[in-house]
Amino acid sequence: AQKITQTQPGMFVQEKEAVTLDCTYDTSDPSYGLFWYKQPSSGEMIFLIYQGSYDQQNATEGRYSLNFQKARKSANLVISASQLGDSAMYFCAMREPTGGGNKLTFGTGTQLKVEL
Amino acid sequence: DAMVIQNPRYQVTQFGKPVTLSCSQTLNHNVMYWYQQKSSQAPKLLFHYYDKDFNNEADTPDNFQSRRPNTSFCFLDIRSPGLGDAAMYLCATRDRVGNQPQHFGDGTRLSIL
Repeated sequence: AQKITQTQPGMFVQEKEAVTLDCTYDTSDPSYGLFWYKQPSSGEMIFLIYQGSYDQQNATEGRYSLNFQKARKSANLVISASQLGDSAMYFCAMREPTGGGNKLTFGTGTQLKVEL
Repeated sequence: DAMVIQNPRYQVTQFGKPVTLSCSQTLNHNVMYWYQQKSSQAPKLLFHYYDKDFNNEADTPDNFQSRRPNTSFCFLDIRSPGLGDAAMYLCATRDRVGNQPQHFGDGTRLSIL
């Protein structure tokens, strides 16, 4: 069974600083995908970034980058130049390749607070 | 331009009174998902449709049903809501091709009186 672990229930970062949110995973499937989502207090889930298990390079998307270390089974999200609007819950998720459904297994999330 | 639209944004119902939540999409995606998310928890998948094929999670209570009359619309029916069903309900869609992410709606926050 697949498993996602986020060990940081809460994180604080000062505005304009970089922050790393940890995510480790466990799977026996050689083909998998890892996703990060942001959920503000208003509730919507916003897709941030994706990393495929066969991707040679770490994914980047604007201020978001993914530090993918396959041997260590970690996929940490790095947010550079933090902004007040980055304050939210962040979920790491893994795609389960079950037929065409491609279900997601979510971690428990990390609550990020950006301070002045 | 909202692509996955959930109505209503907030829903209040009485204990035991059936309620329907709706989700529509303009993305023409094959797969649609319904999640339940309780406070400070990760989303929990209830079921998903792959085209017209319905896939129920093993631990989804019988109280929860779903309908997908066409590609664009999907409904979540709660037949007899209990206090424990108060939660945020999230709808998501995904294109079946490749490693596409799931696109979520804004959610419906359900309260039970």
